[in-house]
Formats: sequence, C-alpha cells, structure tokens
Amino acid sequence: GENVEQHPSTLSVQEGDSAVIKCTYSDSASNYFPWYKQELGKGPQLIIDIRSNVGEKKDQRIAVTLNKTAKHFSLHITETQPEDSAVYFCAASTSNAGGTSYGKLTFGQGTILTVHP
Amino acid sequence: ETGVTQSPTHLIKTRGQQVTLRCSSQSGHNTVSWYQQALGQGPQFIFQYYREEENGRGNFPPRFSGLQFPNYSSELNVNALELDDSALYLCASSFAGNTEAFFGQGTRLTVV
Repeated sequence: GENVEQHPSTLSVQEGDSAVIKCTYSDSASNYFPWYKQELGKGPQLIIDIRSNVGEKKDQRIAVTLNKTAKHFSLHITETQPEDSAVYFCAASTSNAGGTSYGKLTFGQGTILTVHP
Repeated sequence: ETGVTQSPTHLIKTRGQQVTLRCSSQSGHNTVSWYQQALGQGPQFIFQYYREEENGRGNFPPRFSGLQFPNYSSELNVNALELDDSALYLCASSFAGNTEAFFGQGTRLTVV
C-alpha cells in the first residue's frame, strides 16, 4: 500500500518568513495530493490540493509543488503569520473509476509549525 | 465550518465495552470515510461507506464496523474496546467523483 513520509516533524519560523514542508510517497499510481491544517481540538481542514497532471498550484500565500518523477510534493507558505501556527498534514490517494477513492487518504506524520511574532 | 458534524465530542469507555460514534455528512455528499488519529500521529484510514455499503477498508480488525444510512449519515462501531483504541476518531465526507474530503471535528474516545 501507499506510504507517505513527511519532513520536518517540527518547524519554527519568525513571522514574515517562509515555511516549507516536504512529503514523499511510494505508490506511483497516487494522483491526488491534498494538504490539511489541523488546529488544536479541531478536525483537519483542507487548505490546498493538487492533482498529478499539474506541477504547481498557488492560492494567495500558499503554494504546492509536485514532482511525479521523484514522487515528492511540497507545501510552501510565504509571509507567515502567527495564525498559521498549527499541525500540517500531507496526504495522497489514488482515483478509481467511481471517484470514491479520493476519500481514502494516506496521511503523513504531520509537521508542527510554530510562527513566532 | 465544513458542515460535517460528529457526536459525541468526547467519550470515556471501559476496556471490553462497545461504542458507537456518529457522523452527519455535508449536504450533497454521498461518501463517508472514517479515520483513527492517535496522539501525535496522522489520521489512519479505517473504512469508507458509499451507497450504504463498505467501499474499502484499511488495516483494522473486524471489531471495527460501520453503517451508512439512506441520508448518507454514518456510524462507526467498535466492539471489545482495547486501551489502544483511545484516539480521535474523524469522519470525512465527500462526493464520489470529486476530490475534496471535508472532516468533522472528531470524537475523542478514551478507553480506561
């Protein structure tokens, strides 16, 4: 089955700096890669995602890049703010004919991001 | 707010007991997936329900079972609770064919 490795496990930055979190996956059939933000006491919140037919996607201060050949993808947060502090998870899944497998996600171990004012 | 609601939010059970957790999916979503998140770990896929049938299972024993109802809400049942079952249980709803899966706030289960 799919295995997703995520690094680093903790990341501490100053407000305004950039933060980068990296993930690798093992199953070359994986074709959907979402990123989730989880705040204390809450469920994961989808913040951005990318499909395998796209190399990069950006949404304001957040961007995700995908290298299918190397089987790795990264989350980039620019101009970090204290409210960005949370646990971030990458995930991967493989589509099936019915499209239901997008909900069968394999998650990385998580990165605790702390943004210091 | 994702529109996915779970109940209860917290639960304490004794080893050997049985528990039922509930999930109400987002309006228009017909697929519900359940995850177990141990402290400090990423969520682990338990199983998925689509059209009231199990549609894939992760590496969890049969004492983890579920149901999906005609309104697409879902239940997770765990029998013969073990101490290691203590975790945050998350459900995520999605619409078959669409990529986005939206999570509820979770149910914190403590087994003592």
